[in-house]
Amino acid sequence: NAGVTQTPKFQVLKTGQSMTLQCAQDMNHEYMSWYRQDPGMGLRLIHYSVGAGITDQGEVPNGYNVSRSTTEDFPLRLLSAAPSQTSVYFCASSYSMLETQYFGPGTRLLVL
Amino acid sequence: AQSVSQHNHHVILSEAASLELGCNYSYGGTVNLFWYVQYPGQHLQLLLKYFSGDPLVKGIKGFEAEFIKSKFSFNLRKPSVQWSDTAEYFCAVTGGSYIPTFGRGTSLIVHP
Repeated sequence: NAGVTQTPKFQVLKTGQSMTLQCAQDMNHEYMSWYRQDPGMGLRLIHYSVGAGITDQGEVPNGYNVSRSTTEDFPLRLLSAAPSQTSVYFCASSYSMLETQYFGPGTRLLVL
Repeated sequence: AQSVSQHNHHVILSEAASLELGCNYSYGGTVNLFWYVQYPGQHLQLLLKYFSGDPLVKGIKGFEAEFIKSKFSFNLRKPSVQWSDTAEYFCAVTGGSYIPTFGRGTSLIVHP
């Protein structure tokens, strides 16, 4: 099993550009989520999904969109990048909300 | 909504010192409790978890945690830390219909 994979590992964007962060898991997990990690702020939940076709907002959803067309994939879209979105983004998955979360390796994003 | 508090944001220890990191949560129902560790430059991974049974749980690398229901606490302990324990530690709780909630993390630095 590859577990949770994320691409790209690093990305530099200019303000106003859009991009998609990819996340995939091969463990047949129903629950998937996106977090951003900033110094001193811990992990903040952006969006989550309890299954294909079902998504919901987390703590900091503004400026991000998600979709869940398959169980395996949960892409995160930045609509119009802003410097405040400079962060490290982690995708996670689990069998359910109550179970152990498995994290991807992260995407480090710099918005200029 | 549930919340998780980690009281120690930064901890600096010398090798062989004992460690205790505090974690308190607010949800009054049945909970699942987790400690995750993030080594420098890596993603979060599970250190240990409590679902039910013996409230003293043992994890990897000599870590243990004790669930005290009356105090809503799940403190992490290690009798003798090593330089390789330098990492960020996150407490997390799931319960009821709530999505997983993470604490803000504790940065541990162990001096050789």
